[in-house]
Amino acid sequence: QSALTQPASVSGSPGQSITISCTGTSSDVGNYNFVSWYQQHPGKVLKLIIYEGSKRPSGVSDRFSVSKSGNTASLTISGLQAEDEADYYCCSYAGSYNLLFGGGTKLTVL
Amino acid sequence: EGQLVESGGGLVQPGGSLRLSCAASGFTFSNYWMSWVRRAPGKGLEWVATINKDGGQKYHVDSVKGRFTISRDNAKNSLYLLMNSLRAEDTAVYYCATFSSGWSLGNWGQGTLVTVSS
Repeated sequence: QSALTQPASVSGSPGQSITISCTGTSSDVGNYNFVSWYQQHPGKVLKLIIYEGSKRPSGVSDRFSVSKSGNTASLTISGLQAEDEADYYCCSYAGSYNLLFGGGTKLTVL
Repeated sequence: EGQLVESGGGLVQPGGSLRLSCAASGFTFSNYWMSWVRRAPGKGLEWVATINKDGGQKYHVDSVKGRFTISRDNAKNSLYLLMNSLRAEDTAVYYCATFSSGWSLGNWGQGTLVTVSS
């Protein structure tokens, strides 16, 4: 199983919206509604921001939203803020108790 | 939310062994499935292993099967990863995490670095 594919980097200005894609296959992203997203600021602990496809844990801003089409899931951050600058990782259930992660995307807020 | 603190990382020669520990506090450890995830230098995250609440079910990624073993001690609120026959490609920061709803990982530790090199 290969890792999910994410863009290495994305950028946007404050107030704008950006989208991070996460492409897998029909065996993982395309087959299950179990995609999760994680945020990591430099030197900080990884934080779950989206689970079970589209659910947000308590305390996570509603500026984070997701969509899915076929084998690609996408995370959209609207109203970009300086504090959103971080690394983002997607993850999908891949069957047989396996999880598959993406390579990570570095978000830069210009 | 609770806290997870990994320890046991370090420098080890190829072919060597290491046991990582993850100490849990602030939540009922025995109520959670747990996982290990790693990140090699310059690469993304990779799921390594998962264990159920009582330790009776264990799952490992193919690349570590037969070499790594996940285990837990609920009386000590601790998760472990025994790593044998270590290879250079096992060099990574290893994280422990709680398994949460919808096959997600809710709480993470800060990670411990394992370096496999001669």
